[in-house]
Amino acid sequence: DGGITQSPKYLFRKEGQNVTLSCEQNLNHDAMYWYRQDPGQGLRLIYYSQIVNDFQKGDIAEGYSVSREKKESFPLTVTSAQKNPTAFYLCASSISRQINTEAFFGQGTRLTVV
Amino acid sequence: AQTVTQSQPEMSVQEAETVTLSCTYDTSESDYYLFWYKQPPSRQMILVIRQEAYKQQNATENRFSVNFQKAAKSFSLKISDSQLGDAAMYFCAYRSAYDSNYQLIWGAGTKLIIKP
Repeated sequence: DGGITQSPKYLFRKEGQNVTLSCEQNLNHDAMYWYRQDPGQGLRLIYYSQIVNDFQKGDIAEGYSVSREKKESFPLTVTSAQKNPTAFYLCASSISRQINTEAFFGQGTRLTVV
Repeated sequence: AQTVTQSQPEMSVQEAETVTLSCTYDTSESDYYLFWYKQPPSRQMILVIRQEAYKQQNATENRFSVNFQKAAKSFSLKISDSQLGDAAMYFCAYRSAYDSNYQLIWGAGTKLIIKP
């Protein structure tokens, strides 16, 4: 079945560590996104990519990094520079450059700093 | 910049009854799309319904329908014959036709509780 797979489902990070969240899609979508979700808030965009080897910062990119070496993969690294990384992270993809297209989401990764 | 507001942090409804979730947005643009997404306890976001700003007719998907009032910048979601499986967070989102990156702007969400 086509879809988006995020792993791991739960991730624990020690202070000062970098961690990488995986996002893979087999929908043949060009566009991929990373969102952060905190309680009582809507989704906030971290990074997005419309095409392989290209990506742009979203509203809260500080302390995060991404790569897009393959169309189907868009990993997110949470660096030690991110001061408050505990949150739920959602990856999404969509057909690029079509206003009416829906975004498809993975099941998310819960990151906790210990 | 556009903003999306969901003024109801939580709503509850008796099973089989009808509930309306509100969403307002602020924009000076004329061409855009609006979406309602559902996030059940599994946390995976699922599209419920979408509406194009230029369409007068309100979108409908089975038990889900919207009341789109463009002049009032209001986009409410009506759920008829509520079912236990409708319990979830519901998010309203806006996408501008003038944004070349087609970003979604999200409201804070409304938690819907279904009482059996």
